[in-house]
Amino acid sequence: RKEVEQDPGPFNVPEGATVAFNCTYSNSASQSFFWYRQDCRKEPKLLMSVYSSGNEDGRFTAQLNRASQYISLLIRDSKLSDSATYLCVVNKGSSNTGKLIFGQGTTLQVKP
Amino acid sequence: NAGVTQTPKFRVLKTGQSMTLLCAQDMNHEYMYWYRQDPGMGLRLIHYSVGEGTTAKGEVPDGYNVSRLKKQNFLLGLESAAPSQTSVYFCASSYSTTVGPNTGELFFGEGSRLTVL
Repeated sequence: RKEVEQDPGPFNVPEGATVAFNCTYSNSASQSFFWYRQDCRKEPKLLMSVYSSGNEDGRFTAQLNRASQYISLLIRDSKLSDSATYLCVVNKGSSNTGKLIFGQGTTLQVKP
Repeated sequence: NAGVTQTPKFRVLKTGQSMTLLCAQDMNHEYMYWYRQDPGMGLRLIHYSVGEGTTAKGEVPDGYNVSRLKKQNFLLGLESAAPSQTSVYFCASSYSTTVGPNTGELFFGEGSRLTVL
């Protein structure tokens, strides 16, 4: 089993739709969780951290479920510019960020 | 704002050749990393460094060597390239390692596409 698993998609949605991605992780000791965004042939960039209580940033909402060991990303009112690959990232539980584990990513295509 | 700069951006090698990828950051970050990204595999950590003069192995270190002689530079070397090392290589840097909110921000370079024939 992969340490961080994501459905690779692609998710094809129309503009304005709401879409949600889930990500599961295997290490129950993991303490930090993040969503990164990667545009085609570009480098990954931090989208948002995921807090225990859940957090929102504009149209983006992240949730953490420690009991079931998954995190989610909800995108409301999808824009064409949201088309990208979304990477789930989990810290292995160590204090060293060198132990960040990346999921393979979920691809989102927003259509006009 | 240069951030993290990788050179070269593209390279084609023949099996057995050697090469070095250079990563430079101007943010005074302590931590630097080399990842490779392959289809369906996600980003995998090759080696990382927690400070000048120190390096450590990541998830997939075999076939690679690294050096961090200066704080701002992190070099990745391939001594004898193999076709399995065809990949996109990303360098990244970060402020600190303290676990908690906003501590997972890695700043990535634009990537180096390496093809080994």
